[in-house]
Amino acid sequence: QQPVQSPQAVILREGEDAVINCSSSKALYSVHWYRQKHGEAPVFLMILLKGGEQKGHDKISASFNEKKQQSSLYLTASQLSYSGTYFCGTEIMTGNQFYFGTGTSLTVIP
Amino acid sequence: GAGVSQTPSNKVTEKGKYVELRCDPISGHTALYWYRQSLGQGPEFLIYFQGTGAADDSGLPNDRFFAVRPEGSVSTLKIQRTERGDSAVYLCASSPLRGSSYNEQFFGPGTRLTVL
Repeated sequence: QQPVQSPQAVILREGEDAVINCSSSKALYSVHWYRQKHGEAPVFLMILLKGGEQKGHDKISASFNEKKQQSSLYLTASQLSYSGTYFCGTEIMTGNQFYFGTGTSLTVIP
Repeated sequence: GAGVSQTPSNKVTEKGKYVELRCDPISGHTALYWYRQSLGQGPEFLIYFQGTGAADDSGLPNDRFFAVRPEGSVSTLKIQRTERGDSAVYLCASSPLRGSSYNEQFFGPGTRLTVL
């Protein structure tokens, strides 16, 4: 039931864009996105609640296709501070469990 | 205000011993989650509390793991007869209202458990 993320890892130069995908085999209530830096706790980025909903947060935005059970996180004009591991998190229809995805390691270099 | 706190930050124990890990959620948060994170992996769901009751404990790996939240605030994760495979960072998160669908989770710094 763990969502699958792709790519597993990506290296960007400052200013470049990236897309991280999250796919679930179960129907979803919502998708969350978190970023975790090495040795730190995950930090919330955004929640998406409806099919097709998009949200933006500075230069980070996301979309959620409820029918396809997929979400994508878009990072534009990446900054060094964007480096970390990104996790999607999902709550399925039938329970209170919350599942984090497999993770995507993102490294932004100067 | 204060965030989620967890104690101890590090715990080293021997195989077979009993350990307790404590989580102090943000005041007023009714939802509380425990996760376990191994190196290079995402957090793995263990248990979810809504108030004092365990609304979902399906993620607890076996009966050596148990968690309580007697007054709807502080929670304690208890692990009996620890095994080396229990070594991980144990994360606690709280959320202001019922259900993660509508509210972000605020994470504590975690407790790093090492079983020798």
